[in-house]
Amino acid sequence: EVHLVESGGGLVQPGGSLRLSCAASGFTVSDNYMNWVRQAPGKGLEWVSIIYSGDSASYADSVKGRFTISRDNSNNTLYLQMNSLRVEDTAIYYCARDDRATGSLDPWGQGTLVTVSS
Amino acid sequence: EIVLTQSPDFQSVTPKEKVTITCRASQTIGSNLHWYQQKPDQSPKLLIKYASQSISGVPSRFRGSGSGTDFTLTINSLEAEDAATYYCHQSSRLPYTFGQGTKLEIK
Repeated sequence: EVHLVESGGGLVQPGGSLRLSCAASGFTVSDNYMNWVRQAPGKGLEWVSIIYSGDSASYADSVKGRFTISRDNSNNTLYLQMNSLRVEDTAIYYCARDDRATGSLDPWGQGTLVTVSS
Repeated sequence: EIVLTQSPDFQSVTPKEKVTITCRASQTIGSNLHWYQQKPDQSPKLLIKYASQSISGVPSRFRGSGSGTDFTLTINSLEAEDAATYYCHQSSRLPYTFGQGTKLEIK
């Protein structure tokens, strides 16, 4: 069974950094496109970033230059390094596998909450 | 950026009713449109991919249709467990975007 588990969220001050992890099981992260999607409290879904099988990546304009997506093939884990965090980055962060044939996202992890506040 | 507009934002429905949720894209996206269900305190779950393709394990009462700019999610014979927020998502062009969501309340 394919499964994703995020970790690394928490409370951080504005301007701080945090690294999120997404551990995969049942499939190989390096063979797949992987995404981060976030959801601010009580709000809708916002796409954050994608990493392709060749390690190239794309980002939403709102996080470009501050966030970096990467993966560790030996640990079968996806990461999101978040620097220069802002209050508006407060959200639940989900990782999701991308079906490269259709672009649909499945499965999703359970999410990890990032709170940026002083 | 491609904007997806869902209608309605909220709907209160009774069990066994038929529900239709629409998603309109600001530019043509072919069939690169997917639907998700999110229940309270849960992560989103894929319901329909590529506009109309069914997903293993998803009840057959969930159907998707459309192409280009106009898409529809239909729930036939609504059940109490279908209370959730539904989102459409386009993967035609980066950045990926989502509709604002449609919240279904079961009376």
